[in-house]
Amino acid sequence: ELKVEQNPLFLSMQEGKNYTIYCNYSTTSDRLYWYRQDPGKSLESLFVLLSNGAVKQEGRLMASLDTKARLSTLHITAAVHDLSATYFCAVDPGYNNNDMRFGAGTRLTVKP
Amino acid sequence: DAGVTQSPTHLIKTRGQQVTLRCSPKSGHDTVSWYQQALGQGPQFIFQYYEEEERQRGNFPDRFSGHQFPNYSSELNVNALLLGDSALYLCASSPTPGQEKYEQYFGPGTRLTVT
Repeated sequence: ELKVEQNPLFLSMQEGKNYTIYCNYSTTSDRLYWYRQDPGKSLESLFVLLSNGAVKQEGRLMASLDTKARLSTLHITAAVHDLSATYFCAVDPGYNNNDMRFGAGTRLTVKP
Repeated sequence: DAGVTQSPTHLIKTRGQQVTLRCSPKSGHDTVSWYQQALGQGPQFIFQYYEEEERQRGNFPDRFSGHQFPNYSSELNVNALLLGDSALYLCASSPTPGQEKYEQYFGPGTRLTVT
């Protein structure tokens, strides 16, 4: 059974600091998603990584994918309070957006 | 261009009752997936509809059923509600499967509370 594990599950950091969230998955897949969720809200798509070695950046967030290691990372640079949210990675093993498996999420709090 | 819409926003039901949730996909999308997100957890895939048929189903009992209409909108029905069905139900739409299109957009969700 496909498993998706994120760590850490909780992350508290100071503004201006850097940190990395890790997403490991247990089966072959070249399609990995990162989402952001604010409390009580829906999921906002951040990145879609489609191949080994893919790297995407948007503002202070950068995501990468290593399909051989079955690992994706979400790197936060110089965190700001507005980045406080829960971040999920998700794997799409069927390449059809069906049966996507989500990690448990990383709850990020950025303190001023 | 309207994104994915869901109704209602919130719903309170009693154990044993039945509920229907509705979803309209983003313009240009013909595939709808439903997810259940319990508090503090990641979303879990319930099922996906395409061409008015259920294409794939996650590990959910038969109490969970769905339907897709010719205009691509979809309904999620849950019978014999249990307290454990309390969750945020998310609908996601995407383009036709197999076209190597990977975008998937989530709706705002319906918060279901079972008492």
